[in-house]
Amino acid sequence: AQKVTQAQTEISVVEKEDVTLDCVYETRDTTYYLFWYKQPPSGELVFLIRRNSFDEQNEISGRYSWNFQKSTSSFNFTITASQVVDSAVYFCALTQGAQKLVFGQGTRLTINP
Amino acid sequence: ETGVTQTPRHLVMGMTNKKSLKCEQHLGHNAMYWYKQSAKKPLELMFVYSLEERVENNSVPSRFSPECPNSSHLFLHLHTLQPEDSALYLCASSHGLAGGSEETQYFGPGTRLLVL
Repeated sequence: AQKVTQAQTEISVVEKEDVTLDCVYETRDTTYYLFWYKQPPSGELVFLIRRNSFDEQNEISGRYSWNFQKSTSSFNFTITASQVVDSAVYFCALTQGAQKLVFGQGTRLTINP
Repeated sequence: ETGVTQTPRHLVMGMTNKKSLKCEQHLGHNAMYWYKQSAKKPLELMFVYSLEERVENNSVPSRFSPECPNSSHLFLHLHTLQPEDSALYLCASSHGLAGGSEETQYFGPGTRLLVL
């Protein structure tokens, strides 16, 4: 069965530091999709990125970057020059069949001024 | 309104009450979802609707009853809940036509439910 592990329960850094959130997944599917979502204190899950299993290119979007490595079944997320507004819970998710997502436990990120 | 909206944002109810949660999506999507998020647990998928038909019921107790009258609206009717049902209930939607695993789900802000 599919499984997503976010081993870091909580991370706390000082503003402007770089921080990496780890995500390790398990699946027997050859085609799958990985996602990252951000959940600020307001509660809404905000979609950040979707990556398919055939595309191992790293992606950068502003201060955010993602490193997908199939060899280690990891899809890590790095925030460069963190800001207080980045404080949130971040979830990694993996598709399980059609229209189903399996979520990790989430990593609570706190950026201190 | 844009995106996915949910009402109410907060709800307190007794175990004998009946209440309903409402979700509305303004994205032209055809699939809608209910999730439960409890403290210290991963998000749990409860129900999936595609083109107004329920396609997934993830072993949810019958005290939770979903309703999807059209592709834009989704309700979760609650009755005789237990204190352990207290959680954040999140609604999501996706395109849904292809039914493929590549679809991105977009979430609403959630309803924080407290059962006394």
